[in-house]
Amino acid sequence: DVKVTQSSRYLVKRTGEKVFLECVQDMDHENMFWYRQDPGLGLRLIYFSYDVKMKEKGDIPEGYSVSREKKERFSLILESASTNQTSMYLCASRTGPNTGELFFGEGSRLTVL
Amino acid sequence: TQLLEQSPQFLSIQEGENLTVYCNSSSVFSSLQWYRQEPGEGPVLLVTVVTGGEVKKLKRLTFQFGDARKDSSLHITAAQPGDTGLYLCAGARTSGTYKYIFGTGTRLKVLA
Repeated sequence: DVKVTQSSRYLVKRTGEKVFLECVQDMDHENMFWYRQDPGLGLRLIYFSYDVKMKEKGDIPEGYSVSREKKERFSLILESASTNQTSMYLCASRTGPNTGELFFGEGSRLTVL
Repeated sequence: TQLLEQSPQFLSIQEGENLTVYCNSSSVFSSLQWYRQEPGEGPVLLVTVVTGGEVKKLKRLTFQFGDARKDSSLHITAAQPGDTGLYLCAGARTSGTYKYIFGTGTRLKVLA
């Protein structure tokens, strides 16, 4: 079975803290993605990586950074968390572009107080 | 700017009823996918459509890609409680892109 694993299901952090969200996939996929999910807005792309050490900004990259040192691992970093970053964060991976299926993790619900 | 609008946003129906969910845009997409997300889980792919006018069936679910590739619909026949979930459409603007744009979502609840 293909698997995308997100390190934390629930996190509570304080404003200004640094937050790491980690994602690991076991499918040898080239592409990995971080999305943010908010009610009524669907999924919005924060960053994606099409290869190791390669990354591109998505639609809402402000306040976030990413790291992909190994093919199977893609980390999302909030350098200084703010309350408007309270959300559900979803990691996904895919073999390649266009019609490829996105495989999602279970999500990490972050609350910033 | 949300490029993919889904309607309705919420839908609550009785078991056995039929329903249609719409995914609309003013932009052309090279391909479109539908995902279903259940509580506490990530979205799971249901179907990918790539040709204008294409119709695909998955048991009681029928998916259609508009002729102009700007819209899509999902029709469920004789809905069951197991169909409950959040339905998301996602489109690729250009062929070969890495980026999919997701719709606003339709939350469906099927009552037994």
